[in-house]
Amino acid sequence: DTGVSQDPRHKITKRGQNVTFRCDPISEHNRLYWYRQTLGQGPEFLTYFQNEAQLEKSRLLSDRFSAERPKGSFSTLEIQRTEQGDSAMYLCASSLRWTEAFFGQGTRLTVV
Amino acid sequence: DQQVKQNSPSLSVQEGRISILNCDYTNSMFDYFLWYKKYPAEGPTFLISISSIKDKNEDGRFTVFLNKSAKHLSLHIVPSQPGDSAVYFCAASSQTGANNLFFGTGTRLTVIP
Repeated sequence: DTGVSQDPRHKITKRGQNVTFRCDPISEHNRLYWYRQTLGQGPEFLTYFQNEAQLEKSRLLSDRFSAERPKGSFSTLEIQRTEQGDSAMYLCASSLRWTEAFFGQGTRLTVV
Repeated sequence: DQQVKQNSPSLSVQEGRISILNCDYTNSMFDYFLWYKKYPAEGPTFLISISSIKDKNEDGRFTVFLNKSAKHLSLHIVPSQPGDSAVYFCAASSQTGANNLFFGTGTRLTVIP
């Protein structure tokens, strides 16, 4: 499978716990994005990496959120001290150019 | 501030007929537009795109039309098939702007056999 891979697919966590998600992009893609999607909404941009450099961060990305792409390959998104409002589908996408991004299947986070 | 709008949350079409999904945008800096298709519990799948230098792009049963003066684009699916039933998202980006896609809220298409 040469598509974007995300792990885990589902995560249920208690409020206040930390969670970490992983994204493996398409291997030749140097651009990597994280999006968040809540019910009834389209995906909302969180952050963007070009290789290992984090070049864009949305104001949606509060101090509790941190993303890394240490070697310019896979990326992780960590949420500290989760809140119920963090419950959403977290989508990772990758691309070669600034046009069309290819999405993974997402990680559905439920904070109880 | 919703820069990309899909004002129809749902659309039902008979199999074999044409499906027309609409999208409006407000940011005149957008110069690339995409349509994604999304099934439940999956990520969006890229469907078709169009650059602002064109007004039409066709790929099999899917055609996207762009009207820059009206800041409007549409996706036509002909003929519609039951497997096309999904949520369709319109997205827009700018080469000179932020490196991200702005998405609409989606239109749920149901193709009735």
